[in-house]
Amino acid sequence: AQSVTQLGSHVSVSEGALVLLRCNYSSSVPPYLFWYVQYPNQGLQLLLKYTTGATLVKGINGFEAEFKKSETSFHLTKPSAHMSDAAEYFCAVSFIQGAQKLVFGQGTRLTINP
Amino acid sequence: NAGVTQTPKFRVLKTGQSMTLLCAQDMNHEYMYWYRQDPGMGLRLIHYSVGEGTTAKGEVPDGYNVSRLKKQNFLLGLESAAPSQTSVYFCASSYDRGPYEQYFGPGTRLTVT
Repeated sequence: AQSVTQLGSHVSVSEGALVLLRCNYSSSVPPYLFWYVQYPNQGLQLLLKYTTGATLVKGINGFEAEFKKSETSFHLTKPSAHMSDAAEYFCAVSFIQGAQKLVFGQGTRLTINP
Repeated sequence: NAGVTQTPKFRVLKTGQSMTLLCAQDMNHEYMYWYRQDPGMGLRLIHYSVGEGTTAKGEVPDGYNVSRLKKQNFLLGLESAAPSQTSVYFCASSYDRGPYEQYFGPGTRLTVT
């Protein structure tokens, strides 16, 4: 069965520091990969997605993620954290064949320290 | 475009009461989904629909029913609410072809006392 694992339910960084949120998936078929962000008391917004082609994907608000097939990973990074980045981040995967559903990770809460 | 809207935004129910949550989308999406979000448990799929008149069970369907009578609307019903159904409920929709990117509503916060 396909699954998504986000390492670390809570990540804390200083303002201006590198943000790294980890996501690994298990799948026997090629995936589509997503990162969503949820700000307090709001719904989920799409941050970026990988479908095909270039493995380094750029999203909104300066975030990017790299699809590494050999490592089955899709880690999210941002070079310099901003206070407004404080939110919960979800990695998700769907598949080219079959399933109409997204499989979500458990989420990582990002805290930014001044 | 309003995207995905949910009604109501907040609701408090007593145990045993019933209610219906309404989700509407104006993007002509075929697929629609209902999730619940609980602290530390991420998003869990309750039911979903791959088209008008069709529904299917997700990960946690017990205690909920759904209907998709119109393509743009997806209703989630609680027939006899229980405190365990206290949660934030999100509706989402997507196209019927890959990559199945989902668009989410703002959520409904439900408390069952």
